[in-house]
Amino acid sequence: EAQVTQNPRYLITVTGKKLTVTCSQNMNHEYMSWYRQDPGLGLRQIYYSMNVEVTDKGDVPEGYKVSRKEKRNFPLILESPSPNQTSLYFCASSFSSGHEQFFGPGTRLTVL
Amino acid sequence: TQLLEQSPQFLSIQEGENLTVYCNSSSVFSSLQWYRQEPGEGPVLLVTVVTGGEVKKLKRLTFQFGDARKDSSLHITAAQPGDTGLYLCAGAGPNQFYFGTGTSLTVIP
Repeated sequence: EAQVTQNPRYLITVTGKKLTVTCSQNMNHEYMSWYRQDPGLGLRQIYYSMNVEVTDKGDVPEGYKVSRKEKRNFPLILESPSPNQTSLYFCASSFSSGHEQFFGPGTRLTVL
Repeated sequence: TQLLEQSPQFLSIQEGENLTVYCNSSSVFSSLQWYRQEPGEGPVLLVTVVTGGEVKKLKRLTFQFGDARKDSSLHITAAQPGDTGLYLCAGAGPNQFYFGTGTSLTVIP
């Protein structure tokens, strides 16, 4: 089954404790991205990757890191989480930029 | 900076009514997508419009892309409770996607 998976689905952590949210897709897509969704703001792109070893900042990259060592995986890293990073996070993949995006189920993160 | 503004933000209507959701921007996009998101899930693509002035129909849903490729609308005819959800427009730039603020639709039986 073609899908995008994210883990964990729910996470409660404390300020400053490094965490990683994993994302994996099995559709051989080149383009992957991370979004955060906040009430009234829609989805905002954090980082995106056009292909392996190619990553670029989106609209809200501060406080986040990503890596793309393999085509299928695109982890999101929060080195020192802060309460303003409490949000719903989505990973997405697509054949290329501009094509249909397939979204993961989301990760709800709470930073205390 | 929000590149895409959607209106209305919230919409509650009776089953059988018609409605239109607007997605407006001052930027030109190579294509525009409409997604629908249900609680606890990620957005799912409804349609992609590419050509200025293009109209696409998906059963009771009609999507239109503005002539200048800056704005779009989604019209639902005879809304049903199953149409309830969050509707998001997304503009495709050279490498990025820009999502609208979203329209939360509730259709009351």
